[in-house]
Amino acid sequence: GDSVTQMEGPVTLSEEAFLTINCTYTATGYPSLFWYVQYPGEGLQLLLKATKADDKGSNKGFEATYRKETTSFHLEKGSVQVSDSAVYFCALEDSQKLVFGQGTRLTINP
Amino acid sequence: DSGVTQTPKHLITATGQRVTLRCSPRSGDLSVYWYQQSLDQGLQFLIQYYNGEERAKGNILERFSAQQFPDLHSELNLSSLELGDSALYFCASSVAGLQETQYFGPGTRLLVL
Repeated sequence: GDSVTQMEGPVTLSEEAFLTINCTYTATGYPSLFWYVQYPGEGLQLLLKATKADDKGSNKGFEATYRKETTSFHLEKGSVQVSDSAVYFCALEDSQKLVFGQGTRLTINP
Repeated sequence: DSGVTQTPKHLITATGQRVTLRCSPRSGDLSVYWYQQSLDQGLQFLIQYYNGEERAKGNILERFSAQQFPDLHSELNLSSLELGDSALYFCASSVAGLQETQYFGPGTRLLVL
């Protein structure tokens, strides 16, 4: 079945550093791709999504581009803030259900 | 606030018991999804309902069942609980289904002792 692989965590960065969290997927078709974020003690919030190849999703300074040729959807942000500390999940849609990666815990130090 | 509500927030129970988790979707959403988040299995899809009918099934144990009521709220029933069922259970909702954003509730944290 379809699957998602995220880079191993945890990731610790200093404030204003550049962030990349890698995500690759395996799918038989061309699924929609998502990044969700989970802040401490909360549920998952949609961060951004892309529904077809070469689409770029963006929100709150985060970006990810749907790359069909490399089956990737890497999350990037140019300058992270302490408030970005959370767990980030990459996911794809497979027959209406979401298939998630294992999550990457991000900690930003001031 | 996603608009999806889940009760209770926390649940502590013993092995062998049965519990019911409740979810109210966002206003207007017809689809409800249940997911389980555990340390060893990560986030896994359990089951989806659309307008009262089961639409998709994932890695849901036979001891677990769910339903969606005419008012569109959903309940997830977990029976003969085992220690390994301890997890965070999320409900999500969307307007219909395919290629639509799923909005997640805050989750119910279940601890089986």
